[in-house]
Amino acid sequence: DAGITQSPRHKVTETGTPVTLRCHQTENHRYMYWYRQDPGHGLRLIHYSYGVKDTDKGEVSDGYSVSRSKTEDFLLTLESATSSQTSVYFCAISANRGSRSTEAFFGQGTRLTVV
Amino acid sequence: GQQVMQIPQYQHVQEGEDFTTYCNSSTTLSNIQWYKQRPGGHPVFLIQLVKSGEVKKQKRLTFQFGEAKKNSSLHITATQTTDVGTYFCAGPGANNLFFGTGTRLTVIP
Repeated sequence: DAGITQSPRHKVTETGTPVTLRCHQTENHRYMYWYRQDPGHGLRLIHYSYGVKDTDKGEVSDGYSVSRSKTEDFLLTLESATSSQTSVYFCAISANRGSRSTEAFFGQGTRLTVV
Repeated sequence: GQQVMQIPQYQHVQEGEDFTTYCNSSTTLSNIQWYKQRPGGHPVFLIQLVKSGEVKKQKRLTFQFGEAKKNSSLHITATQTTDVGTYFCAGPGANNLFFGTGTRLTVIP
């Protein structure tokens, strides 16, 4: 397996609290992604990064922010958690993108429950 | 925006039967990837198709990329219980990777 670690693996939090999920990679891949997975919706892209301090929004970015201060770390923050953000969150990395895209490697996932 | 749709959403088959999932993109793709996610696990890369009309095989799995590079399919011959999971296709955007909605396969022994 590729060197990609998500933390925490499980978290229960209260509505209205901020939450930060961490993705750490040891592959030195340029591209990093945060997805959420919900029944019937597959994997939906939240935010992605194409380099240190270079990030952009995905299709479901409202209520989320990200930061990438180092190549190896990509943080996802729920600014004020809501029950609709209860989901399984996956981080992924890839070496290339677009027409030169190569396989993406996924972390083990974080199961987040907002009560 | 770019969309990648998959059908069916669910498929139940008897062990030994064949299975096919289809992926359709709203735009022409430079390439398409397929992933498998076991229950409780994370998506794992299976294969990438690049050329128009390309067909690739991995044992009992056959992957096809359409001539127009807007659709793809995954066919499993004689399913086994180890094939259980959700199969996703994914297409590249300018800087990201868009996933289809997935097909969840259940294999009945």
